[in-house]
This record gives sequence, C-alpha cells and structure tokens, in this order.
Amino acid sequence: EVQLVQSGAEVKKPGESLKISCQGSGYSFTTYWIGWVRQMPGKGLEWMGIIFPGDSDSRYSPSLQGQVTISADKSISTAYLQWSSLKASDTAMYYCARRNYGHAFDIWGQGTMVTVSS
Amino acid sequence: EIVLTQSPGTLSLSPGERATLSCRASQSVSSNYLVWYQQKPGQAPRLLIYGASSRATGIPDRFSGSGSGTDFTLTISRLEPEDFAVYYCQQYGSSLTFGQGTKVEIK
Repeated sequence: EVQLVQSGAEVKKPGESLKISCQGSGYSFTTYWIGWVRQMPGKGLEWMGIIFPGDSDSRYSPSLQGQVTISADKSISTAYLQWSSLKASDTAMYYCARRNYGHAFDIWGQGTMVTVSS
Repeated sequence: EIVLTQSPGTLSLSPGERATLSCRASQSVSSNYLVWYQQKPGQAPRLLIYGASSRATGIPDRFSGSGSGTDFTLTISRLEPEDFAVYYCQQYGSSLTFGQGTKVEIK
C-alpha cells in the first residue's frame, strides 16, 4: 500500500524549535516530490514548499520562505519540516503529500497537529 | 502569484441534486495544472480531479471537471450523502496556490 505516515501531534512554546516527519512506503520514495501543506484552524489549505528526495532539491512558497526548512533523508524514506523558532501563529495542521500527475498531490499523510502556546 | 477564487462559499443542496462549483483564476492557468480536492472534517484532503478534467484513481464518475484559461468547474452530477464536504481547487504556475474552498452542505 502506498502511504505517507506523519509523526505525532506536538505542543510547543513560542521560541522553541521543532522538526516533524513524513515517512513514505509502498513506492519509490526518491522519484516523487513531497510537498508540505498548512491548514490553520478552521481555514483553507496553504502550500508551504516541496522537496525531491532523490537529490533534496527544494522549493518554497514565496510567503513562507525563510520561516521553515524542508529536508529529506532518502535512506529512510522520510521528509521533514522544521522550524527554528516557533510562533503562536504556527499553530496548524501540517500535511505532507506526494506530487503526481504533474502538480497534483495524490497521496496525503494523516496530518501532524502543531500547537504553539505559552 | 495566481489567486484562485472559488464560488459560492457555501452551497446548500439535497442528496440527488447537481452541484456546480466554480474556480476562477486571476491569470490564465494551464489546464494541465488545475486540480480539485475534497476534504471532510478531520480528514486529509483527497485528490478528485487533475489536469482540469481527469478523475483520479477510484473517484466515481459523478465527479467531473471542466474549463480552461481562467474559469474552471467541478460538477457533481448527483450528490450522495458522502459528498457533503469542502472542495478546493489548486493550480501550479510559477508557484502553487489553493482556492479558499467551497463547502457543500446538506439543505
């Protein structure tokens, strides 16, 4: 079965760092781009960025560039989304998703809820 | 950045009715790169349509996509109870953007 499995929910304080993960299985992880999508509580979907695990080539949304870092470890079929200093406004559900059929996301992780609160 | 505007914001319909959802782009979008998703509460989005009109694997044929340029449409021919959800369009041009979503609710 093709799937993406994300790490569990996180509760952090403002200023803390965080790295969440997304592990792929059931397909060749190094040959599909993996994107990250944010969904703030009660809001819509927002694309954050994307990475090609084969060579770690990455692209970021212009509005979020510099606020997060996307990386991948192809040896363990895992992509990451990382913050160096969280803010309360980072509170959201974060999804990873596999890009296919051009620029569609066909396989989604279950989501990782990140709560940032003092 | 291309802005996608979905309308209406909420669509109130009964099971069995036809749903027509609109997605309008601020600039022309390649049809190859217009996508539709369905999201139910507490779930991740699900891919419905890619390339403006191609159904993803396992998607029933009551879902269809059409359009070109700046105007795209998702049509659900006869609403089933499981179709009541939020629908998002997405495009890829120089960057990737989503519309704000259309909620299809039970009337």
